[in-house]
Amino acid sequence: AQTVTQSQPEMSVQEAETVTLSCTYDTSESNYYLFWYKQPPSRQMILVIRQEAYKQQNATENRFSVNFQKAAKSFSLKISDSQLGDTAMYFCALLFGNEKLTFGTGTRLTIIP
Amino acid sequence: NAGVTQTPKFRILKIGQSMTLQCAQDMNHNYMYWYRQDPGMGLKLIYYSVGAGITDKGEVPNGYNVSRSTTEDFPLRLELAAPSQTSVYFCASRNPASGSVSEQYFGPGTRLTVT
Repeated sequence: AQTVTQSQPEMSVQEAETVTLSCTYDTSESNYYLFWYKQPPSRQMILVIRQEAYKQQNATENRFSVNFQKAAKSFSLKISDSQLGDTAMYFCALLFGNEKLTFGTGTRLTIIP
Repeated sequence: NAGVTQTPKFRILKIGQSMTLQCAQDMNHNYMYWYRQDPGMGLKLIYYSVGAGITDKGEVPNGYNVSRSTTEDFPLRLELAAPSQTSVYFCASRNPASGSVSEQYFGPGTRLTVT
């Protein structure tokens, strides 16, 4: 069975600072995908960034980047120059071949003005 | 494109009632999914479909039924609603032909309360 663990239920950071959200996972698959989704108070699920397990290079999307450590099964999200609009729940998710996306329990991130 | 749409946005049911949550997408995606999100938790897969006429169970299918008669629509049926089904329900879709990295597009969710 696949599991995704987010050990930080809540985090807060000052605006413009950098914050890192942790995620660890467990799977016996060799080829899989990892995602970070953002869920603001509107409840809409928004894809932030994605990583293919066979790619060694860490994915980046503007202010968002990941640190993917395949051997350690770790997939952390770094948000640089944090903005008030980054306030949201962040979910780490794992997808493997049979279409079942497994989510972590989320980290509630608050950006403080 | 409207993307993935869900109706209703909110609903209150009495124990034992039935209802259908509607989900539609206009992106011609073959794959569609239903998730539930309980308070303080991540999403859990209820059912999914890889094309019209094909459905399969996810992690938490008990108490639910689905059908997929068209590519666009994927309704979720609750029979004999129970308080344990109080949750926010999300529908999602994906086009497997769009590339190797499989992004799912989510609807806005339906908040269901069973009392």
